[in-house]
Amino acid sequence: QVQLQESGPGLVKPSETLSLTCSVSGGSLKNVYWIWIRQAPGKELEYIGYVHHTGRPNYNPSLRSRVTMSLDTSKNQVSLRLTSVTAADTAVYYCTRKGSPLSYWLDPWGQGTQVTVSS
Amino acid sequence: QSALTQPASVSGSPGQSITISCTGTTGDVGSYNYVSWYQHHPGKAPKLIIYDVNNRPSGISSRFSGSKSGNTASLTISGLQAEDEADYFCSSFTSAATIDWIFGGGTKLTVL
Repeated sequence: QVQLQESGPGLVKPSETLSLTCSVSGGSLKNVYWIWIRQAPGKELEYIGYVHHTGRPNYNPSLRSRVTMSLDTSKNQVSLRLTSVTAADTAVYYCTRKGSPLSYWLDPWGQGTQVTVSS
Repeated sequence: QSALTQPASVSGSPGQSITISCTGTTGDVGSYNYVSWYQHHPGKAPKLIIYDVNNRPSGISSRFSGSKSGNTASLTISGLQAEDEADYFCSSFTSAATIDWIFGGGTKLTVL
């Protein structure tokens, strides 16, 4: 079965770039929509965007100017890059995938990685 | 785009049933049967327990069930067990602003 594991720096300084990686085991990156979601303290989950190997990524309009997602099929990894971070980007970041091409359920999920933006 | 509305907390005793609501709009829950529910034990990966309003993935207990009426979806857990204590959040497809997914704020279930 497919398993996902997020990894990243944990602590990022304001105005710097956050880079996260989602390592995928037990499945291929192809033909799947890979999605990043985050949850800031005390807030609801927020869709960041998705990436698919055949098409253009889709990003949340509120983050579009700062976010980039990509796939590395040689390493079976999904990457997230968020520039010019502020304290508002402090959150747990999750990697997941669209479970079916015909629906919108998400499965599986990684356990998330905490990112804190602070000097 | 506002989040889906869930109660912050619910509680029940072992063996009882509880229901968690998830209220959206005609732009999401009310117009699409793409509501899913997730169980989240802190520090672990969220787990899909209901998809497309009322379907259970393989391996999920029949004690979990889902339904929808108008703009509100519901998750019912019957025969509460101690291990059901967790956070539960809903998600729906949304036709708004190309974001595709919208989420509830989560509900903390306490098993008394």
